Amino acid sequence: QKEVEQDPGPLSVPEGAIVSLNCTYSNSAFQYFMWYRQYSRKGPELLMYTYSSGNKEDGRFTAQVDKSSKYISLFIRDSQPSDSATYLCAMRLPSSNTGKLIFGQGTTLQVKP
Amino acid sequence: DAEITQSPRHKITETGRQVTLACHQTWNHNNMFWYRQDLGHGLRLIHYSYGVQDTNKGEVSDGYSVSRSNTEDLPLTLESAASSQTSVYFCASSKGTDTQYFGPGTRLTVL
Repeated sequence: QKEVEQDPGPLSVPEGAIVSLNCTYSNSAFQYFMWYRQYSRKGPELLMYTYSSGNKEDGRFTAQVDKSSKYISLFIRDSQPSDSATYLCAMRLPSSNTGKLIFGQGTTLQVKP
Repeated sequence: DAEITQSPRHKITETGRQVTLACHQTWNHNNMFWYRQDLGHGLRLIHYSYGVQDTNKGEVSDGYSVSRSNTEDLPLTLESAASSQTSVYFCASSKGTDTQYFGPGTRLTVL
């Protein structure tokens, strides 16, 4: 079993839809949770960063962490064609100096005009 | 502007050849990472370094090596390329536990 599981999709939605992307994980020690966005043939870039449980909102994007269920989500409101990309969840342990991340497989999202 | 670059962007090689992929960052980050990305597997960590002369094995390190002689560069070497190493390779860097910044990737094909 992988430490981080993510449905690879692909997920196709109409413009304006609310999108929900999810990851589950097995290691309860993970404390830091990230969502990266990767456009086709580009490197991933950080989209959202949360610590421990709770919600974080940034414009149309909301990241949610439920540590009791070992489940994280990314919600995209009013989705746009420019949101079409692969979304990767990532997480790491609360170590002193390591920046090592564990990534999910990534979910490919297509937003149709 | 500070950045992270990878070269070459595309490479085709033959089985058994030694290949080196370059990664260069100008942020003066102490941490550098190499990943490979394959369908169904996401990003998997190959090797990483926390500073000059420091290297560590990641999840999928067999057949790969790295060396860190300065802060800016972490070249990845495939000692004897195999078809199973056909993939897209990403380099990343970070300052401590901060955000990892990724390079544009190298698409490697081993025939």
